[in-house]
Order: sequence, then C-alpha cells, then structure tokens
Amino acid sequence: QSVLTQPPSVSGAPGQRVTISCTGTNSNIGAGYDVHWYQQLPGTAPKVLVYGNSRRPSDVPDRFSGSKSGTSASLAITGLQAEDEGHYYCQSYDSSLSGSVFGGGTQLTVL
Amino acid sequence: EVQLVESGGGLVPPGGSLRLSCAASGFIFSGHWMTWVRQAPGKGLEWVANIKQDGSEQYYVDSVKGRFTISRDNVNNSVYLQMNSLRVDDTATYYCARYRRIMPPGYNWLDSWGQGTLVTVSS
Repeated sequence: QSVLTQPPSVSGAPGQRVTISCTGTNSNIGAGYDVHWYQQLPGTAPKVLVYGNSRRPSDVPDRFSGSKSGTSASLAITGLQAEDEGHYYCQSYDSSLSGSVFGGGTQLTVL
Repeated sequence: EVQLVESGGGLVPPGGSLRLSCAASGFIFSGHWMTWVRQAPGKGLEWVANIKQDGSEQYYVDSVKGRFTISRDNVNNSVYLQMNSLRVDDTATYYCARYRRIMPPGYNWLDSWGQGTLVTVSS
C-alpha cells in the first residue's frame, strides 16, 4: 500500500481532458509539503512533469497542470495525445517517515 | 548536461550483498541531495534512501533500514547504495536521482534520473 493514493488507471480519447488525483494525509500533503508529478513512458526512467504543486519545467507543454488543496493534489492533462500514454506518479514528503513518498501510480490510456 | 549513470546491478542469491554506484556529471555534485528510488518489475516507484550534500544525513524507507547504506564521494562525484541481507522482494530496477534545489527533500523534487540498474535476488 502506497502512502499516497492514486487511481490505478484513467483513460480518455484524443483531445479530451483527464485528471489524476493524489490523496495523502496530514503528515505529508496536508502538512504543507510540495507535491510533484512524474511521467514514466514505457521502458524509460521517470521524468518530472510538475513540481512545487503547480510549476512546470520549461520543456513540459502547458497541457499539463497541477494543483493542490488540503490533503490532496491533482494532475490535469488537456488535449490528450497518443504519446501521453504511460504511467504517472505523484510524490511528496512525509514527516512521520522522514522520507519521500510516491503514489502507487496511474496508468493513462489514450483510447 | 546532467548525467547520472548507475552500475553494479546483477543476480544475487537471497542473503547476499551488492553495491550499486551512480556516477554523476554535468553539475556541481556536492550541491545536491541525492536519492535512490526502486521499481519492482511491473510495479510502481518506491523511494529507498536520501543523502544530504555533505553525507552527514541519511534517511531510509523502513523496509531497508539496517540492511542498506547510502553514501557518497564528493571528490569522485558518485553516490552508492550498499545492499546487504538481500531479499527476494528487493528485486527491482534501482534508479539514482538528483534533487533539484539545495533545500531538504520536503520542498524539493527529482529533476534528473539515471537509466536504472536491475537487481535480481533469486536462488
């Protein structure tokens, strides 16, 4: 069981919008620690998509956006494209564990 | 260009030991927290260990405490993971990654990852 909870899978048609939720507790997201999102395409290492809850690296399209509220965060992907298929992970820090924590991951399928 | 290159993975029997290495280049290595993250076959990401810039602080996930040791060499720009008393459930691809900012991991993110090295624990 992962400390952060994500839906196992989401799907959408090309051009549509999907959201991926990430639910934590008062010792991680709710404690004010930042949430970051990573994309892992098949056979590759993870890549940061969103950091600091809602900021994007310069090479990430603005189709990807993040938000955080209370003990939860979410990643929104608009204008779905076939190349978005892969796994998405949220990550934060947990003060009771004194370490970083990941969500279980969400597999995105573009129909 | 930031590069992280892991090595040292392989097949090891249960109870055995292995030392992973991660060679860093393209940035001021001593300025960054470093971490090891693993991924069991077909599973999600799991944080394993963090180490502070000067090596004075190390943190571990509970399942590896007392068995794994993270260390670093700021002269040779490398971070290591010594893994002892290996178990079948330690089987995974192990990634080395860099925290982006000088701050502790709580307000920091992993902006560069290696390609990973596979550790298989099996008899």
